[in-house]
Amino acid sequence: ETGVTQTPRHLVMGMTNKKSLKCEQHLGHNAMYWYKQSAKKPLELMFVYSLEERVENNSVPSRFSPECPNSSHLFLHLHTLQPEDSALYLCASSQSTSGAETQYFGPGTRLLVL
Amino acid sequence: SQQGEEDPQALSIQEGENATMNCSYKTSINNLQWYRQNSGRGLVHLILIRSNEREKHSGRLRVTLDTSKKSSSLLITASRAADTASYFCATDEGSNYKLTFGKGTLLTVNP
Repeated sequence: ETGVTQTPRHLVMGMTNKKSLKCEQHLGHNAMYWYKQSAKKPLELMFVYSLEERVENNSVPSRFSPECPNSSHLFLHLHTLQPEDSALYLCASSQSTSGAETQYFGPGTRLLVL
Repeated sequence: SQQGEEDPQALSIQEGENATMNCSYKTSINNLQWYRQNSGRGLVHLILIRSNEREKHSGRLRVTLDTSKKSSSLLITASRAADTASYFCATDEGSNYKLTFGKGTLLTVNP
């Protein structure tokens, strides 16, 4: 285990549903990330939080809404998703947002949008 | 252009053989990292090599970095079936905090 947990592990939702993904890190890190991993595509960085402030929003559609209430928790709120949003969503954390830092990943949430 | 492109896309070997995966990138970097991902799981950090380092070892892993060629290689010696996974390189983009990942190499080690 990497010290980063994600729930749920699997999620099936319709295009009109609203759901949230949760990530928690037990490492005392100050930076947290959301990534999207689709088949045959590189890992895509979605959001970066540093000390609970969003420092990166990588041109992500507004149907994805992140929330970072404290440095240990990160949420990704989902609404009105499209089938092409089906993917593995990975959360990661690191000590800081320095590019030299190792990132620790959670196991991911496998999302299927019908 | 995509940073951190791995080569080959897929590699199949027998247990006990060595596996070599390569990564190329296009701009200057401060460090390069290798990660491993078991099917449908999160990524696990393997090793980080800084731009002023040429080689680094960790157990059965050996990573080299050639900044003049903008390339890195990951060598897994005496492979085991449990090494079956996708391997990704990731580069930083200089002064900012992003890690940019390649598409990965899928390694299959046959028992």
